Amino acid sequence: GAVVSQHPSWVICKSGTSVKIECRSLDFQATTMFWYRQFPKQSLMLMATSNEGSKATYEQGVEKDKFLINHASLTLSTLTVTSAHPEDSSFYICSARDGDLWVFFGSGTQLSVL
Amino acid sequence: GESVGLHLPTLSVQEGDNSIINCAYSNSASDYFIWYKQESGKGPQFIIDIRSNMDKRQGQRVTVLLNKTVKHLSLQIAATQPGDSAVYFCAEPDRPDSSASKIIFGSGTRLSIRP
Repeated sequence: GAVVSQHPSWVICKSGTSVKIECRSLDFQATTMFWYRQFPKQSLMLMATSNEGSKATYEQGVEKDKFLINHASLTLSTLTVTSAHPEDSSFYICSARDGDLWVFFGSGTQLSVL
Repeated sequence: GESVGLHLPTLSVQEGDNSIINCAYSNSASDYFIWYKQESGKGPQFIIDIRSNMDKRQGQRVTVLLNKTVKHLSLQIAATQPGDSAVYFCAEPDRPDSSASKIIFGSGTRLSIRP
């Protein structure tokens, strides 16, 4: 199956700093990419949907100025957590859709904010 | 709103036994469902899917059953192995067969295997 690469797999940062997470579709062009957040022992909650070359669509309650999403190409989307605080510590997962509607998930990024 | 969910949070199964993980949905118009497996610290992995024009679909050691009358689906894992330990989610696109659809996840069931 298609591969979605997410980097880094884990990151520790100080409170107030910004962190960028990359999501790449390795062997297909992703028409749409999705970003999820998952707290311990909870389900995946969709944060936003991004289409290449256009602004991301954020789910209700997700701060777009806090979680900056850039989908500059058909193979790369980035999520930047700006001015991170301990409550932003979470497991962030991206997924990507190919032209045939199949959705593939990345391996996730564990963010710990000290 | 989210229509997929209502799992039991945990399920403990003896190694070698069959596991049955349940999921209920509320939208009678839902017509496509996906089961994912998520191991600790990893992203979800596709296991099997089913469309509403079917009531059963089989894969390797897994079977998904769909009961549209009671809006319920289940994932059956035959001869459960230690490697099956994970959280299992049922999920569905919010707009079936649409390139604009989003995958919405249910609450998940943690499957643990007793030796």
